[in-house]
This record gives sequence, C-alpha cells and structure tokens, in this order.
Amino acid sequence: KNQVEQSPQSLIILEGKNCTLQCNYTVSPFSNLRWYKQDTGRGPVSLTIMTFSENTKSNGRYTATLDADTKQSSLHITASQLSDSASYICVVSIMNSGGYQKVTFGTGTKLQVIP
Amino acid sequence: NAGVMQNPRHLVRRRGQEARLRCSPMKGHSHVYWYRQLPEEGLKFMVYLQKENIIDESGMPKERFSAEFPKEGPSILRIQQVVRGDSAAYFCASSPPSGRSGNTIYFGEGSWLTVV
Repeated sequence: KNQVEQSPQSLIILEGKNCTLQCNYTVSPFSNLRWYKQDTGRGPVSLTIMTFSENTKSNGRYTATLDADTKQSSLHITASQLSDSASYICVVSIMNSGGYQKVTFGTGTKLQVIP
Repeated sequence: NAGVMQNPRHLVRRRGQEARLRCSPMKGHSHVYWYRQLPEEGLKFMVYLQKENIIDESGMPKERFSAEFPKEGPSILRIQQVVRGDSAAYFCASSPPSGRSGNTIYFGEGSWLTVV
C-alpha cells in the first residue's frame, strides 16, 4: 500500500531556531517528491520538488533532502520566522502509464514558531 | 499569469441542497485534480480530469459526487443532496501537460463547504 508518513505530527520552536521535518514513504514506483507549505485556511504552496536523481534542493531558508534508497526525505528550516508557522506536507508522486501524476499526501507536520 | 482560481471560497448549504464548486486552472494547464481536506486531516485525492475526460475518479464517493472539465469553462465539482459529513475544504490543483516527472502541481486557495 502506498503510504507517506511524516514526523513529528506537531512541533513548537522558538523564533530564530532551526528545525527538521521528516518524511518516510513506501510509494512505488517513485516519480518525485514535493514539500508544500499550507497556511491555515489557505491552499498548499510548493516549496521544493525533487526527482529520484536529486538528493538536495534549496529554496531560501528551506532545504529538502531525499534518500531514494531508504525512501526518506527531510525538510530543514533555517533561522525560523513567525511566518513559518504552518503545516508542512510531504507529497510523493507516481507517474503512471496514463502519463499523469498520482500523488499520495502525508498528513503533515504542524509547525508553530513562537517569539 | 493568474494562479489556480477557485470559487466560491466559502459556501454554506443546508442538508439536501446541491453544492457546485468551480475551478479555473492556471493558463496552459490541461490537467485538473480535486482533493478534499476534512478538518484536522490531510488532503485526499478525489478525481483527476483532462479536458472533457475523467481520467481517474478512484477517490470520488460513489454517490452524490460528480466532476467535469468541459471544453470551455472551468472544472466543476458537484455534490448533490449534501450531508453534514461533506463539510470540508475542497482544493483544486492543476499541472501542465504530461511528460515530465518534475511537473509541479499548483493548488488553488480552496473552497470551504459548510453544511448546516
């Protein structure tokens, strides 16, 4: 069964600190992995996307890593800001024979950054 | 280039009424996806459409739910005879034509349905 598991479920950190969110998946055959940020009451916004041949991708203070052998990804947030408070969702895709992406969502990590 | 546009953003319906949610994909995108997010839960796939075709509706409830993406106009997610359990956020997403595994899926801001 295709699954995407994220940890921790929730996290509280002080402003300015770093944190790392984890994603383990069993989706196969793997096509790509994305991290999204979802603010409360808003739609998810893409942070990074990685195919199986990429093992790291950065977007400002966000750095995602991917280990396709162990089927693990992490999202590292540097120098956190209050605006980083959101849910972070790991999304893994299969490119199926029909030529479209079938995605499996993780349940997300809820991050709260406090002053 | 406008993003994925969804309307209405918020919709209140009484039990038994119909809800229609609309989605205009990003310019140049021919693939549309609908997802549902129940309170405090993750997003769940409902249906994937290309113009005039339903490609994968494996996530759609068997009854009362339907989706279309006509040749002209937005994609519509239709929920008939709504019940309280249909209260959720419904997200539409779009992506460019297939062929590249690195295609990003872009999400709209969602339509929040409340059934009273």
